[in-house]
Amino acid sequence: NAGVTQTPKFQVLKTGQSMTLQCAQDMNHEYMSWYRQDPGMGLRLIHYSVGAGITDQGEVPNGYNVSRSTTEDFPLRLLSAAPSQTSVYFCASSYTITPNTEAFFGQGTRLTVV
Amino acid sequence: GQQVMQIPQYQHVQEGEDFTTYCNSSTTLSNIQWYKQRPGGHPVFLIQLVKSGEVKKQKRLTFQFGEAKKNSSLHITATQTTDVGTYFCAVDRGSTLGRLYFGRGTQLTVWP
Repeated sequence: NAGVTQTPKFQVLKTGQSMTLQCAQDMNHEYMSWYRQDPGMGLRLIHYSVGAGITDQGEVPNGYNVSRSTTEDFPLRLLSAAPSQTSVYFCASSYTITPNTEAFFGQGTRLTVV
Repeated sequence: GQQVMQIPQYQHVQEGEDFTTYCNSSTTLSNIQWYKQRPGGHPVFLIQLVKSGEVKKQKRLTFQFGEAKKNSSLHITATQTTDVGTYFCAVDRGSTLGRLYFGRGTQLTVWP
């Protein structure tokens, strides 16, 4: 059972480049979300999805797009990378959303924008 | 902004000492979760508290939810080097969408 799989693990981008961070889960979870983690800031919610075809913004959505075409996949797109987007990105999934249940996290993607 | 205030931000203890981290909210919470993140790792779920005044134990870890459901604490008795990491509380806004918001975490260092 793979759980939540994120790719790539590390990435270096130049300012202005675009890229997609991949996230896949094999637990048939309804709820998926993306967080970024910066030193001293904890985990901040970027975007989330409550099911295929449904997405919404979190605390810090600017500069990021998401889509949820299948239950399993929830990619995060950086449209035009900026140095402020240098961070560690975590994807998470959980079985249901009301009430909250345990969130399972991927291993993270460490992104550097130069 | 942050939905919950978590204190302290850092805690350094000698092995065998106790450790406590606190989460405080200005609004009543429907539930609260706790996660642990080892250095270089990803957050791992520890527990969820739902009921007012609830106390749960996992070996040396004791979790409490306040009577007013506005605060929570995680207490570790007799810390070990394996307890090193950052401990986060996480809450939702109580909406039907159930977005999970994390505190800034308490980074625990344990020296032998």
